[in-house]
Amino acid sequence: GAGVSQSPRYKVAKRGQDVALRCDPISGHVSLFWYQQALGQGPEFLTYFQNEAQLDKSGLPSDRFFAERPEGSVSTLKIQRTQQEDSAVYLCASSLGSLSTGNTIYFGEGSWLTVV
Amino acid sequence: AQSVTQLGSHVSVSEGALVLLRCNYSSSVPPYLFWYVQYPNQGLQLLLKYTSAATLVKGINGFEAEFKKSETSFHLTKPSAHMSDAAEYFCAVSPNSGYSTLTFGKGTMLLVSP
Repeated sequence: GAGVSQSPRYKVAKRGQDVALRCDPISGHVSLFWYQQALGQGPEFLTYFQNEAQLDKSGLPSDRFFAERPEGSVSTLKIQRTQQEDSAVYLCASSLGSLSTGNTIYFGEGSWLTVV
Repeated sequence: AQSVTQLGSHVSVSEGALVLLRCNYSSSVPPYLFWYVQYPNQGLQLLLKYTSAATLVKGINGFEAEFKKSETSFHLTKPSAHMSDAAEYFCAVSPNSGYSTLTFGKGTMLLVSP
């Protein structure tokens, strides 16, 4: 498809389990973002890639969260030893270039993570 | 640092009535401003954006927003609500230079009654 694709759409994990969430950005998009959206809240920034370089990971809540984009296209967000507070929707977004030059960020439909 | 404040977590209107969703921003540099809509179980869809061109911005589905620097506001309006407008709306801000990402408000749920 032409949009940002995320998988799995829904994931139920037992507390302590590791999870991996995948994001396929729009083809050719240089910038890739991960956001976390808790129930009833706005999305909160987790991390940003420009091609394969992770330029900002200031929003990652703990060292259990890790993101990569090794070839500058597909990205994976990994959460180790999941905890209940990790339950949220994880949104991936991409843009052709920097927001500061007027580019638009396009969002995927999200991966819904529930930790039980 | 930059932030946005959306006044009212829920707004209720009747079908055909004016929609007004409020957003105020705080930014140390001139910002870019955005409105996104999120339907249940879906991702975020861009409604419109302000990138320092015209202060009145027209978006999709009949929505528009006006950038008012003196009031640090970017309120979203639509003259006549439709049932299909019921969704959650998010205001977001980004700086207009350098590396940037979006900072979102907490969202406003728009409820439309017949």
